[in-house]
Amino acid sequence: AQSVSQHNHHVILSEAASLELGCNYSYGGTVNLFWYVQYPGQHLQLLLKYFSGDPLVKGIKGFEAEFIKSKFSFNLRKPSVQWSDTAEYFCAVNAGNKIIFGKGTRLHILP
Amino acid sequence: EAQVTQNPRYLITVTGKKLTVTCSQNMNHEYMSWYRQDPGLGLRQIYYSMNVEVTDKGDVPEGYKVSRKEKRNFPLILESPSPNQTSLYFCASSLRAGGYNEQFFGPGTRLTVL
Repeated sequence: AQSVSQHNHHVILSEAASLELGCNYSYGGTVNLFWYVQYPGQHLQLLLKYFSGDPLVKGIKGFEAEFIKSKFSFNLRKPSVQWSDTAEYFCAVNAGNKIIFGKGTRLHILP
Repeated sequence: EAQVTQNPRYLITVTGKKLTVTCSQNMNHEYMSWYRQDPGLGLRQIYYSMNVEVTDKGDVPEGYKVSRKEKRNFPLILESPSPNQTSLYFCASSLRAGGYNEQFFGPGTRLTVL
């Protein structure tokens, strides 16, 4: 069955800490992976995406993600978080004509 | 400005009273979809549309209807709302279905069914 799993439901970090949010997917077709971010009170917006080529993709605001095919993973990373990164983060896969989202990870950054 | 708009943004209604949430995009996108967001469950796709007059069920279609008579509009219809449809709803569009096409989301509609 097609699915996306995000392991961390709620993460609390201090400013300047490093971040890694886990995402694993289950999909048998061509993989196109996304991370979206939802800041408090706002709609979702794209952070970054992978569809082919270099498995390390860079997005906005210093975020990056690495696609590891053998592990079915697409983890999101940022070397040094800021208070403004407080948000909910969603991993997603384009599964044919459907789009499957993970349950999201709430990230809270302490100033 | 390229955007997806939804109306209303907030709605409180009672069980059984038919309602429609409108969604419109001005980017000439072929693909449109509706999601509901619930705490702990993330976003779940309700319905999607590949193009005008082409719609299909997502993962949680029960209790919802959609139509796509024009490319820009994709309304969500709740014929007989129930309290378990209380949720935050997002409309989204993308240039085409699948592949590397990212979703552009509307601002959301918070629906409460009493």
